[in-house]
Amino acid sequence: EAGVAQSPRYKIIEKRQSVAFWCNPISGHATLYWYQQILGQGPKLLIQFQNNGVVDDSQLPKDRFSAERLKGVDSTLKIQPAKLEDSAVYLCASSFGGWQYFGPGTRLTVT
Amino acid sequence: GQNIDQPTEMTATEGAIVQINCTYQTSGFNGLFWYQQHAGEAPTFLSYNVLDGLEEKGRFSSFLSRSKGYSYLLLKELQMKDSASYLCAVRGNAGNMLTFGGGTRLMVKP
Repeated sequence: EAGVAQSPRYKIIEKRQSVAFWCNPISGHATLYWYQQILGQGPKLLIQFQNNGVVDDSQLPKDRFSAERLKGVDSTLKIQPAKLEDSAVYLCASSFGGWQYFGPGTRLTVT
Repeated sequence: GQNIDQPTEMTATEGAIVQINCTYQTSGFNGLFWYQQHAGEAPTFLSYNVLDGLEEKGRFSSFLSRSKGYSYLLLKELQMKDSASYLCAVRGNAGNMLTFGGGTRLMVKP
């Protein structure tokens, strides 16, 4: 069984630029999560989808972050414009039966 | 809201036993998870407790006391490859969402 796929694995951008991350969950997993993990900290939930609907986005900085899961499968997370404090690893996870499986993450560096 | 505390760093010797503690204060509780995360990699599932008591899985065991808001992860016969961060996460009552602690970075020395 293929795991959660994410791309790109690494991204370096300058502040005020835009960036997008892509996630393909495990086949059949209806729930998808995006987390932000700053170096030395635990993952922080940004948004949770159930199929193509948003369950919780209370911690998503909506002035600059957006996410979508139009067909209930793949998802994209966008930051526009990026700030220095957005430097982090962005983890995507999908779940089935209450168990979350994480992708390898995208490491974003904002300079 | 959720508040989860665990030590930032621990050091132990190869072959020894180490206990990583986690305390939590949550508005809802539907299980506690432990994840292992090697540097630059994704978190991987280690253990899950929803009822009080000890769950054993090979060299790894996890304990939960819901009345005390307390859990620990016990690693036996430490190996160098156990050097990693260990994340404690609590699942609330809605939506299977996990709230993570800051992680404990474990360094295993020869």
